[in-house]
Amino acid sequence: IQMTQSPSSLSASLGDRVIITCQASQDIFKYLSWYQHKEGTAPRLLIYDASKLGAGVPSRFSGSGSGTDFTFSIDYLQPEDLATYYCQQYDDLPLSFGGGTKVEIK
Amino acid sequence: QVHLQESGPGLVKSSETLSLTCAVSGFSIGRGSYWGWIRQPPGKGLEWIGSIYHSGDAYYNPSLESRTTISVDASKGQFSLGMNSVTAADTAIYYCALVASPGIAPAADFWGQGILVTVS
Repeated sequence: IQMTQSPSSLSASLGDRVIITCQASQDIFKYLSWYQHKEGTAPRLLIYDASKLGAGVPSRFSGSGSGTDFTFSIDYLQPEDLATYYCQQYDDLPLSFGGGTKVEIK
Repeated sequence: QVHLQESGPGLVKSSETLSLTCAVSGFSIGRGSYWGWIRQPPGKGLEWIGSIYHSGDAYYNPSLESRTTISVDASKGQFSLGMNSVTAADTAIYYCALVASPGIAPAADFWGQGILVTVS
């Protein structure tokens, strides 16, 4: 299953709302997660089952969608949100990631 | 506290075999979860290599399956990755983690810190 993520990078100001989209090449129902990956650290699970918040994840992160089209949002962008974000489908094997979105702070 | 730790050589010669082990502490491998390996080549995105269940059932990325083996030793609380015939394209940070399975999200967000493997 191919996961197409966009944009590949973005630059936003502190306090902005950031939106990232992910499109699956076939119906993956709700089986999508979003990861935050900061340089030099392990990826962190933010969202699973398309819209459920991971343990300890701030509520400014959210996800929505089902089927083939999904959206990830960061409300009120914070300095610590500088990272690359990936979607991942787990409807079927092989597990597959989107290409990533690098979020930079203006 | 749950801790995953990758170990193995940081430098592997081209055409030889890459061998890594992930030691899991604070959480039983046998608790019915899938454990996996994910890698990130320099400047590139994340790639799933494969996963293994505590029973030993393993699943691989088709692009790597012919030269990859994942095994588990639940009694020791560890699982391992072997990849033969490596090339420079296998240079990457390798992570072990608790991973999703079809239709089931990861039970928790457990990852190792990652280990850089360079193929010379």
